[in-house]
Order: sequence, then C-alpha cells, then structure tokens
Amino acid sequence: DQQVKQNSPSLSVQEGRISILNCDYTNSMFDYFLWYKKYPAEGPTFLISISSIKDKNEDGRFTVFLNKSAKHLSLHIVPSQPGDSAVYFCAASAVNTLGSARQLTFGSGTQLTVLP
Amino acid sequence: EPEVTQTPSHQVTQMGQEVILRCVPISNHLYFYWYRQILGQKVEFLVSFYNNEISEKSEIFDDQFSVERPDGSNFTLKIRSTKLEDSAMYFCASRGTSRSTDTQYFGPGTRLTVL
Repeated sequence: DQQVKQNSPSLSVQEGRISILNCDYTNSMFDYFLWYKKYPAEGPTFLISISSIKDKNEDGRFTVFLNKSAKHLSLHIVPSQPGDSAVYFCAASAVNTLGSARQLTFGSGTQLTVLP
Repeated sequence: EPEVTQTPSHQVTQMGQEVILRCVPISNHLYFYWYRQILGQKVEFLVSFYNNEISEKSEIFDDQFSVERPDGSNFTLKIRSTKLEDSAMYFCASRGTSRSTDTQYFGPGTRLTVL
C-alpha cells in the first residue's frame, strides 16, 4: 500500500545547483503535504509544508510545488549546499472520519548528496 | 526552541521482555503520536493520542502495544512482550492544535534492539 511514493532513492547534485526531489501520491483525500529532512540516528526535522489549496510555498532556499491534478509534489532547493545532504521524506495527511488526528503517511525517502 | 525529547536513545532487550519508551512532547501540544522505522523501510504510523485516549491506530499497533500519558508531560509507548521484528527506531511526535495545517514535530527517536 504505497500511498506516497518517492521513486528516486538517491540524488546527487553539485553545490550551488538546484536539487529537485519528487513525490507522488495516490490518495485523493490527502490535503496537507510536508517535507522532512533526516540525518542518520536522528528524528525527521520539518522543512516545509503546503496545503492542497495552494500550488506553491516558499521558505528561503526551499520551495514546494503541488500539482493536484497529477497528484505530484516536488521540493526545490536553490542553491544546494553540502549541509543539505540528508534523506528527504515526503509526507501527507488527510482528515479522517474520526476527527483530526492527522496521521502522516511517509514516502520511502530520497538520499540527497550535495557535492562540494 | 521547544523540542520533543525521547529516552532512552538506545534500548536493548531480550525477546519476550517488556519495554517502555518515553517521550516528552512539546509543552502545550495536544496531539501525540508514535511512529516507527524498521531499518531500510519507511517511517510508519503506529498510534495517535488526544484528550487522554487513542484517536487512531494502525494495524501494527496490536494488543502488545499500549500508550499512556501518566502525567502532564510524559507520553509512553509500552511493548508488553517484545519480538525480534519490533527492532526499529521509534519516533514520538506532537502537534499543537487541530488545525489541518499544523505541523507534527518529531523527537530524536529511540533505537530498540530485540535480541
């Protein structure tokens, strides 16, 4: 049951260039999407999010784009820095019939390596 | 900046033993969660907790698991009789409000190793 998919397990980019991480989802009830960054042996760290009523959200070097018709979102990091090297998880949530618990469904992650 | 904390960072136990993983969510947050990540796999939802009761749980969260908020600050996950397949990183998370756009913040995790 892969409701959230990150098809690229790894991505390498040169420092200063753009990193684009992609995520696809199948559940049309998802209405809130998040990107988390994770280092080994640490918990996921929140990066940026987007509500389904928007198609773009920007925060500094990070921009998330949402294409609802394609059920696709992407995270752009510009410019990429070596410190950005980590695993990036896409996650999604939906209001459930029981209330607002809003559990997160995660993708499998993409290992980003930014080369100096 | 407020953060979610978890103890211990690493727990080693024998199969069949009980373990309790502890979390201190962000103060004033109302929603609490446990997730786990088996090595090489996705982060998976286990359970959510609100207003002193479980609000949702996954099929992973069977009778061997329980959660509790024993006081105003701690949130615990108990595994009654651990199995080898319970070995994983366990993450606690908390969220402040019922707003759909509110974010879940994660703790650093507890690595559980069942021998």
